[in-house]
Amino acid sequence: EAQVTQNPRYLITVTGKKLTVTCSQNMNHEYMSWYRQDPGLGLRQIYYSMNVEVTDKGDVPEGYKVSRKEKRNFPLILESPSPNQTSLYFCASGRQGAINEQFFGPGTRLTVL
Amino acid sequence: AQSVTQLDSQVPVFEEAPVELRCNYSSSVSVYLFWYVQYPNQGLQLLLKYLSGSTLVKGINGFEAEFNKSQTSFHLRKPSVHISDTAEYFCAVRATGGSYIPTFGRGTSLIVHP
Repeated sequence: EAQVTQNPRYLITVTGKKLTVTCSQNMNHEYMSWYRQDPGLGLRQIYYSMNVEVTDKGDVPEGYKVSRKEKRNFPLILESPSPNQTSLYFCASGRQGAINEQFFGPGTRLTVL
Repeated sequence: AQSVTQLDSQVPVFEEAPVELRCNYSSSVSVYLFWYVQYPNQGLQLLLKYLSGSTLVKGINGFEAEFNKSQTSFHLRKPSVHISDTAEYFCAVRATGGSYIPTFGRGTSLIVHP
């Protein structure tokens, strides 16, 4: 089944404790991206990647890191999480020729205390 | 830079009634337009998109949207809704060239009552 998977789905952590949210897709998509969703704000893009070893900042990259060492994986790293990073995070992927049609993962709900 | 305004945060409607979810955008360059749906506890799913050509776009689940360039709008419509259409709907735009960063609206919650 074609899908985007994220792990973990739920995470509660404390300020300053480094964490990684994994994202994997099995559709051989070149394009992958991370979003955060906050009430009343819609989705905002954090980072995106056009292909392996190619990443770019989105609208709200501060406090986040990403890497794209393999085509299928695009982990989101919070080196020192803070409470304002409490949010619902979505990973998405798409074909380079059809970036407009993104496939979204199920989401990761992160709480930073 | 672009911005997207979804004019209604919540739209309650009875089953089998028609519905329109409104979306206006602002951009200094030409854009692609999208509507996504998010069912409870799920990720977003593309409903339909306007890239070029006919301004009336048909999507999945019986939804359609009309691109109006002069009014910078991209309203979503369905002639007869079902209970299963209850979800959050997001309008989004992306510049046709250069940036791959989409801009999403804040979402409209469609609530279908029996």
